[in-house]
Amino acid sequence: GQQLNQSPQSMFIQEGEDVSMNCTSSSIFNTWLWYKQDPGEGPVLLIALYKAGELTSNGRLTAQFGITRKDSFLNISASIPSDVGIYFCAGTLTGNTPLVFGKGTRLSVIA
Amino acid sequence: DAGVIQSPRHEVTEMGQEVTLRCKPISGHNSLFWYRQTMMRGLELLIYFNNNVPIDDSGMPEDRFSAKMPNASFSTLKIQPSEPRDSAVYFCASSPTSGVSDTQYFGPGTRLTVL
Repeated sequence: GQQLNQSPQSMFIQEGEDVSMNCTSSSIFNTWLWYKQDPGEGPVLLIALYKAGELTSNGRLTAQFGITRKDSFLNISASIPSDVGIYFCAGTLTGNTPLVFGKGTRLSVIA
Repeated sequence: DAGVIQSPRHEVTEMGQEVTLRCKPISGHNSLFWYRQTMMRGLELLIYFNNNVPIDDSGMPEDRFSAKMPNASFSTLKIQPSEPRDSAVYFCASSPTSGVSDTQYFGPGTRLTVL
C-alpha cells in the first residue's frame, strides 16, 4: 500500500528562523495536502497541491508538489510562537483512493 | 458556519463497556470520515461514508467497531466491547465533495481512554 515518510519527526527552532519539512511517498501521488494540528484540536488544512511542480503559498507558508510526484515540502518563513504544532502531509493517487497521512513533524518554536 | 462537531470531547471508560462517539458533519458536505490517531500509528482511516452510505470500512480494526450514518447530519462510531488498546483520539472529518482525496475538515476529536 501507499506509505508516506515525513521528516524530520520533530524540530526545535528559534523564533524568526525559517523551517523546512518534507514528505516522500513510495508511489506517485496526484494530490498533496498539508495540515497543521494544534494541541487538543483536529488537523486544519493549510495548503492543497494538485499538479506536479506546483508551488503554492499561504501567508508565510509555501508548499511544493515535487516533479517526480513522489514528494512534497513545506516551508515556513520567519517562524512565530503560534506556528507550534504538528504538521502533517497527506496524499493520494486518485479521487477514489483514501488519503494517506504522514506521521507528522512536531514543531517547537523557542521565543 | 459551524465546523464539524464531535461529542464527547473526552471519554473514560472501563474495559468491556460500550462506547459511542458522535459526529455532526458540516452542513451540505457529502462525505464523512472516521479516523483514529495514536502516537505509534499516526492517523488511520477507519471508515468513510458518501451520501450516508458506507463506502470502505476496511480500516475498521475488528468486529467490535461499527459505524452508522442514519442521515446527512449525524454519524456514530461504536466500540463494543471496548479494550485498553482502543485508547486513542478519534476524529470525524467531512468533505464537500464525493472524492475521497478531496479537502477534509476535521472535528476537534474525542479522546478515548479505556482502563
